[in-house]
Amino acid sequence: DAGITQSPRYKITETGRQVTLMCHQTWSHSYMFWYRQDLGHGLRLIYYSAAADITDKGEVPDGYVVSRSKTENFPLTLESATRSQTSVYFCASSDGGAIWETQYFGPGTRLLVL
Amino acid sequence: GIQVEQSPPDLILQEGANSTLRCNFSDSVNNLQWFHQNPWGQLINLFYIPSGTKQNGRLSATTVATERYSLLYISSSQTTDSGVYFCAVFFYNQGGKLIFGQGTELSVKP
Repeated sequence: DAGITQSPRYKITETGRQVTLMCHQTWSHSYMFWYRQDLGHGLRLIYYSAAADITDKGEVPDGYVVSRSKTENFPLTLESATRSQTSVYFCASSDGGAIWETQYFGPGTRLLVL
Repeated sequence: GIQVEQSPPDLILQEGANSTLRCNFSDSVNNLQWFHQNPWGQLINLFYIPSGTKQNGRLSATTVATERYSLLYISSSQTTDSGVYFCAVFFYNQGGKLIFGQGTELSVKP
């Protein structure tokens, strides 16, 4: 019973490269979310998804792309990584019928962009 | 603008002591959650508490939505309670955003 997992857990890349962070949940939760955590800014919402093929922007979507072809997966792609995207990225899912229900977080991916 | 403010920003306790963490928010809310981020970075959901009081072992939380604040109580603190405590709020008028406070960093000394 894995719950919500993220891969890779650590990633080093170079400016301009494309990077995809994976998120997988085994609960069949409808809602999934991507956040980034930075010193001085706390946690901020990048994108969220209400169901397969339904996604919407959060607070800081620029430079990121998401997709959700299957309920259980919600990958986040940095199309051309920049140093400002160095951060810890958390995926979350929500078990309720509404977007504001309890959210459960994955272990995070630490991304360093050189 | 929309604000979620936590206090104190950091707290040092001796093992066995009690503490109260506070979260103030600036508007009506759909949801308020308390999280614990442990020293390894994992975010653990503690409470979903848009209003009222809940208890889970040594932890309890109270949200007074009409006065726009929530309190997290930690009793008989243990070293494993160390980490950062966040409150996060969904505001009625902010769409999909779960807005996090800046956190309270708790250190429990043996």
